[in-house]
Amino acid sequence: KAGVTQTPRYLIKTRGQQVTLSCSPISGHRSVSWYQQTPGQGLQFLFEYFSETQRNKGNFPGRFSGRQFSNSRSEMNVSTLELGDSALYLCASSLAPGDREQYFGPGTRLTVT
Amino acid sequence: QKEVEQNSGPLSVPEGAIASLNCTYSDRGSQSFFWYRQYSGKSPELIMSIYSNGDKEDGRFTAQLNKASQYVSLLIRDSQPSDSATYLCAVKYNNNDMRFGAGTRLTVKP
Repeated sequence: KAGVTQTPRYLIKTRGQQVTLSCSPISGHRSVSWYQQTPGQGLQFLFEYFSETQRNKGNFPGRFSGRQFSNSRSEMNVSTLELGDSALYLCASSLAPGDREQYFGPGTRLTVT
Repeated sequence: QKEVEQNSGPLSVPEGAIASLNCTYSDRGSQSFFWYRQYSGKSPELIMSIYSNGDKEDGRFTAQLNKASQYVSLLIRDSQPSDSATYLCAVKYNNNDMRFGAGTRLTVKP
């Protein structure tokens, strides 16, 4: 069974631009969560989607948004990029929000210059 | 505030020894506990999950949970150089909010 896939794997943007990252969950998984990982803050929860609805949201500004499609694929968008948004963005999938275990994709490394 | 605390390390053990990784959490309502392994430049990989008090063994890995003390640990027996990685403790709360510790960097020396 294929794992979680994320595209693109690497991205370089300049301040003020916006970016869209994509995540395809494991086949059959319907819940997708997004995380930001930085050396200083560690792994921080952004939001969770299930059945095209945001179920849970972390403590991030409104510049960070996401959505989920009917095939469970998810995208996250960051607008008006700041230098501090440089991070590894990880997507994780699980069968459902209440499911105990989630599995991570390889991540998208975003660099903002 | 829901916190997950880990000793950042680095923890260094010789090959063949037992590595002991510890984690404490602040919210007594926590229900599910996980250990992830993350190699440098890679994404976290789920290696153990534990939901009830006591020990859970899987190969060379043993997870231990003590809800009264709000403490979860991971033991790695017969440590190998390939076990060298950062180990992340994760706690899932009743609202499905998942919080991660900062991770403990483990080095196993040949």
